[in-house]
Amino acid sequence: NAGVTQTPKFRVLKTGQSMTLLCAQDMNHEYMYWYRQDPGMGLRLIHYSVGEGTTAKGEVPDGYNVSRLKKQNFLLGLESAAPSQTSVYFCASRRDRPQETQYFGPGTRLLVL
Amino acid sequence: AQSVTQLGSHVSVSEGALVLLRCNYSSSVPPYLFWYVQYPNQGLQLLLKYTSAATLVKGINDFEAEFKKSETSFHLTKPSAHMSDAAEYFCAVSFSRADRGSTLGRLYFGRGTQLTVWP
Repeated sequence: NAGVTQTPKFRVLKTGQSMTLLCAQDMNHEYMYWYRQDPGMGLRLIHYSVGEGTTAKGEVPDGYNVSRLKKQNFLLGLESAAPSQTSVYFCASRRDRPQETQYFGPGTRLLVL
Repeated sequence: AQSVTQLGSHVSVSEGALVLLRCNYSSSVPPYLFWYVQYPNQGLQLLLKYTSAATLVKGINDFEAEFKKSETSFHLTKPSAHMSDAAEYFCAVSFSRADRGSTLGRLYFGRGTQLTVWP
């Protein structure tokens, strides 16, 4: 049982390049989330999904797209990376009740030059 | 709207001293409250949570928190700090039903408190 895994762990991009971050969970969770973490800003929600085939915007969705084609995977895409997207990205998942624990992946460090 | 406020972005204590990290929330519906810990270069992991059972909640590593509805608080404490407790701590809230300005299914995080433990 691997929990929540994220790929890649670290990436360097040039401005304007695109990339996809992959999140996978093996706990059969309905809900999945993408956050970014920046110094002094805490965790900010980018997008989330309440089930396979559904996605919704969080607090800071601009510049990102997501897809949830399979229940266990949640993909975060950057179509045209900008230096402001330099951050640490965390994926999380949980069951469908609000009192359930949210489980986090180890994070992806992204540097956009 | 900010649903969770953590007072003090940095807290420093000596090893063996009491740890107190403050968290206040705003909600007009019953909340569920969480404390997460993040060690350097790692993801967040659950320390403890309040889900409307006992108001005093015990977590891992001797941490505990008390839900006080009248004060809208969920402060985290540990009687005796250890060097290994140095980390960033996040308070978070979710809601049992939709509330004005909040969304079901989301977890709202405070901005975090960095705990430093001096030898």
